[in-house]
Amino acid sequence: QQPVQSPQAVILREGEDAVINCSSSKALYSVHWYRQKHGEAPVFLMILLKGGEQKGHEKISASFNEKKQQSSLYLTASQLSYSGTYFCGTESGGGADGLTFGKGTHLIIQP
Amino acid sequence: NAGVTQTPKFQVLKTGQSMTLQCAQDMNHNSMYWYRQDPGMGLRLIYYSASEGTTDKGEVPNGYNVSRLNKREFSLRLESAAPSQTSVYFCASKMTGTRYNSPLHFGNGTRLTVT
Repeated sequence: QQPVQSPQAVILREGEDAVINCSSSKALYSVHWYRQKHGEAPVFLMILLKGGEQKGHEKISASFNEKKQQSSLYLTASQLSYSGTYFCGTESGGGADGLTFGKGTHLIIQP
Repeated sequence: NAGVTQTPKFQVLKTGQSMTLQCAQDMNHNSMYWYRQDPGMGLRLIYYSASEGTTDKGEVPNGYNVSRLNKREFSLRLESAAPSQTSVYFCASKMTGTRYNSPLHFGNGTRLTVT
């Protein structure tokens, strides 16, 4: 089953913050976050493993609550380059059976 | 270092025609994947291969076949194309195993239209 992402879309002004949520009905081993620009391939942002560790750098970070089967991506002081569609991808085991992706969150940053 | 290379980039088929999408990776990854992306649906897994010589169905395998030719190459075949297979197809690879927590590396995609 696909994880559920929210919101579906968000429009921000440059410099504002955003939070994108990803929720699964299944127990998770890991959560991956990707960003995709129109007409391009998804680009990897970060992986979060079981343990609730928050990762990322200064302006883009994420958390993973394995008990709630939820992850959140935080974009701080957004820049125009952050525009795109963000996908979370989940793994329930540590095997090779691929990621299950959410339907995506469209992020538009306006000057 | 090319990463994941897909060919062709664009293709138009008539209903009933067949074609093979090619994918090759040069990162020595053991696992490879085919996804399709449709508007509003995200990326859905068609087939995957955990290692050379093995393939498994993903979420949406109907109408497709795959071949893991060797460690580098993983092809996707449409035997009789249907308009419902109009989509963008992405090949991806990653290293899997107990020692690895690695990301998916995507190719640039194949935009397929079936008329």
